[in-house]
Amino acid sequence: DQQVKQNSPSLSVQEGRISILNCDYTNSMFDYFLWYKKYPAEGPTFLISISSIKDKNEDGRFTVFLNKSAKHLSLHIVPSQPGDSAVYFCAAKGLFFGTGTRLTVIP
Amino acid sequence: DSGVTQTPKHLITATGQRVTLRCSPRSGDLSVYWYQQSLDQGLQFLIQYYNGEERAKGNILERFSAQQFPDLHSELNLSSLELGDSALYFCASSVGATGYEQYFGPGTRLTVT
Repeated sequence: DQQVKQNSPSLSVQEGRISILNCDYTNSMFDYFLWYKKYPAEGPTFLISISSIKDKNEDGRFTVFLNKSAKHLSLHIVPSQPGDSAVYFCAAKGLFFGTGTRLTVIP
Repeated sequence: DSGVTQTPKHLITATGQRVTLRCSPRSGDLSVYWYQQSLDQGLQFLIQYYNGEERAKGNILERFSAQQFPDLHSELNLSSLELGDSALYFCASSVGATGYEQYFGPGTRLTVT
């Protein structure tokens, strides 16, 4: 049973615009969430995280929002750049990963 | 470069065989995690070791086993291999036992024919 879900397998965005990647989870006991970015032929790399005591965490162009009541989080990338093109994984407690969303930023 | 190394990079073997995947964590990291990524699937957590002891267990099959050695490197053993075991196997490491931020190796691609 998939406890972390990323329902959009892919997303295309124009360079300079906002990219919004979404993630849903089922277990209300999850208290820490992370986003990882993965390029082909490489392992995932940590991008940004958020604790359940917060509803927003920002790091440069990347912002993660957490809506605990909806069991939903999202990653916003502003402005999107071609180098952001990768697969993004949402993870809960560092152990439960979603299936990933492939982001393509079009120059 | 995450500092986590995995060998081999690629492995092709036949059904019914046994293979061993190796992982060396980042210097100073005590936890090692193993994940399986099948085609179009997310990362499935298999098992975590912390300082030589099993810390957490995920969806690891009975045909699979792992261990972490005193020098902190880890091995994942896969036996009685089936076609469905073909996947990318990632190792990750973190400093603590509940190190949510993990550093991933480049993965081992296993193909079972």
